[in-house]
Amino acid sequence: KQEVTQIPAALSVPEGENLVLNCSFTDSAIYNLQWFRQDPGKGLTSLLLIQSSQREQTSGRLNASLDKSSGRSTLYIAASQPGDSATYLCAVGRGGGADGLTFGKGTHLIIQP
Amino acid sequence: EPEVTQTPSHQVTQMGQEVILRCVPISNHLYFYWYRQILGQKVEFLVSFYNNEISEKSEIFDDQFSVERPDGSNFTLKIRSTKLEDSAMYFCASSKEVGETQYFGPGTRLLVL
Repeated sequence: KQEVTQIPAALSVPEGENLVLNCSFTDSAIYNLQWFRQDPGKGLTSLLLIQSSQREQTSGRLNASLDKSSGRSTLYIAASQPGDSATYLCAVGRGGGADGLTFGKGTHLIIQP
Repeated sequence: EPEVTQTPSHQVTQMGQEVILRCVPISNHLYFYWYRQILGQKVEFLVSFYNNEISEKSEIFDDQFSVERPDGSNFTLKIRSTKLEDSAMYFCASSKEVGETQYFGPGTRLLVL
């Protein structure tokens, strides 16, 4: 059974810092990996999707990498801003007709002004 | 930008009652999903739906749950006889194709008393 772990569980950094969030998964037979942000009491906002054949994806100040063989992904946030404060979730898809995503518990990020 | 919408945003019900949660997926999407998040826990996959039938379901999705696409726009989740442990945030999501980005709605917070 796929297990997704995110480290650290919480992170607080001053504004302007670059930071890295980590995600690991136990079964490397994934189809894709998706990063989301979740604001308190709200839905999930998709940030980046990496297909299993890709090594990284970039969107603005965000860069996500995937090392499928070692079961790891990282989300790099450059020049952090207070508006980046949220919980960041990593989720993996198995594919092959199994469409449901398996989520990690998230990293709760606070950017101090 | 097209969004997934969900109604109601909040629902309070008595144990044993039936509830129907409603979702309107993004209009040109073909794959639909339900997830739930119990307070303080991971987002969990419930079911995926394509071409008017369930394509995958998790262990959580037992006989008390059902899904339906009653018309060309709505996608519903029915819980026949609610239990206290069904209290959670329920998210609907949709994607254009399997393996592509899943877009989530804002959620319905269900409280079973």
